[in-house]
Amino acid sequence: NAGVTQTPKFRVLKTGQSMTLLCAQDMNHEYMYWYRQDPGMGLRLIHYSVGEGTTAKGEVPDGYNVSRLKKQNFLLGLESAAPSQTSVYFCASSYSNTGYNEQFFGPGTRLTVL
Amino acid sequence: GQQVMQIPQYQHVQEGEDFTTYCNSSTTLSNIQWYKQRPGGHPVFLIQLVKSGEVKKQKRLTFQFGEAKKNSSLHITATQTTDVGTYFCAGLRYAGGTSYGKLTFGQGTILTVHP
Repeated sequence: NAGVTQTPKFRVLKTGQSMTLLCAQDMNHEYMYWYRQDPGMGLRLIHYSVGEGTTAKGEVPDGYNVSRLKKQNFLLGLESAAPSQTSVYFCASSYSNTGYNEQFFGPGTRLTVL
Repeated sequence: GQQVMQIPQYQHVQEGEDFTTYCNSSTTLSNIQWYKQRPGGHPVFLIQLVKSGEVKKQKRLTFQFGEAKKNSSLHITATQTTDVGTYFCAGLRYAGGTSYGKLTFGQGTILTVHP
């Protein structure tokens, strides 16, 4: 099992460009999450999904959109990138959303917006 | 909103010294999880605490959950260079019998171990 995978691993964008980050999991987990990690800020939840076809906003959703068309995939989109979105993005999945199940994280995507 | 504060932000120790990181919540938590992130890596689940006053051990690591379920600590005895990384706590908010299901992560404590 690959667990949680993310593509791409690195990306450099210019301000105003758009891109999509892909997260895939092969553990048949219902719940998936997108976090961003910035120095001194810990992990902040951007959006999450409780199942195929459903998404919800997290703590810092502005400037991002997500889609969960297939259970195993969770996409994070930046429509018009800004330098403030320079960060490391982690996708995670869990068996349930009760919070009593561990989250499995992907390797991360390091994004730089110039 | 719920805040989970973690201190210290940085800790530098000599190999063999002990290390402790503390996690404090502004609200009562249903549970708390601890994760470790190696430099350049991703967070990896270590343990979960659910009961008031719970203490769990994993080899040299001791995890505690406060009686009021608002704070937690991770203590490492006799640190080794393999302990280097960032340690995060993550709490699930408890509110009137329901849980929101979204973990709130602390800012993390970056541990450096000098050989």
